[in-house]
Amino acid sequence: AQTVTQSQPEMSVQEAETVTLSCTYDTSENNYYLFWYKQPPSRQMILVIRQEAYKQQNATENRFSVNFQKAAKSFSLKISDSQLGDTAMYFCAFMKGNTGTASKLTFGTGTRLQVML
Amino acid sequence: NAGVTQTPKFQVLKTGQSMTLQCAQDMNHEYMSWYRQDPGMGLRLIHYSVGAGITDQGEVPNGYNVSRSTTEDFPLRLLSAAPSQTSVYFCASSSGLAGEQYFGPGTRLTVT
Repeated sequence: AQTVTQSQPEMSVQEAETVTLSCTYDTSENNYYLFWYKQPPSRQMILVIRQEAYKQQNATENRFSVNFQKAAKSFSLKISDSQLGDTAMYFCAFMKGNTGTASKLTFGTGTRLQVML
Repeated sequence: NAGVTQTPKFQVLKTGQSMTLQCAQDMNHEYMSWYRQDPGMGLRLIHYSVGAGITDQGEVPNGYNVSRSTTEDFPLRLLSAAPSQTSVYFCASSSGLAGEQYFGPGTRLTVT
């Protein structure tokens, strides 16, 4: 079974600064996907970024980027130029790379991020 | 497209009552899932489906039933509600491995 660990329950960052959220995972699979989801107070789950394990290049989406270390099983999220709208709960998630598991995500416990003025 | 819709948004049940949480998607996605979110525990998979007529158990299936008679709908049934089922429930759908998982807005369920 896969496990996903987020060791930072809460973090804060000043507006316009950079913050990094940590995520580690444990799996014996070689083919898998990793995700970061954002959950603002509205409760809606929003995909922030996705990484395919077979790709060595780190994924980026505008101000969001990841540091994917496959050997270390680490998948951190960097948010640059933090904005007030980034205040949310952030979840790291894992999915095996088999067609039959395309609807099965394993989530971490989340990191609550507060962006301050 | 409405995306993934869930009804109701809020529900209060008494212990022992039954109910069905509705989930529908209009994106013709084959894959659908139900998760529950509890404080400090992230989201946990209850049941999932890889297509109409095909369902399977996730991490926490006890006390819940599902069926998938159409591609669009994936209802979650609580047979006899218990206080331990107080949670926020999310339905999600995707087109497959390369597709993004789209989440519904969630249903907050309280069992007294």
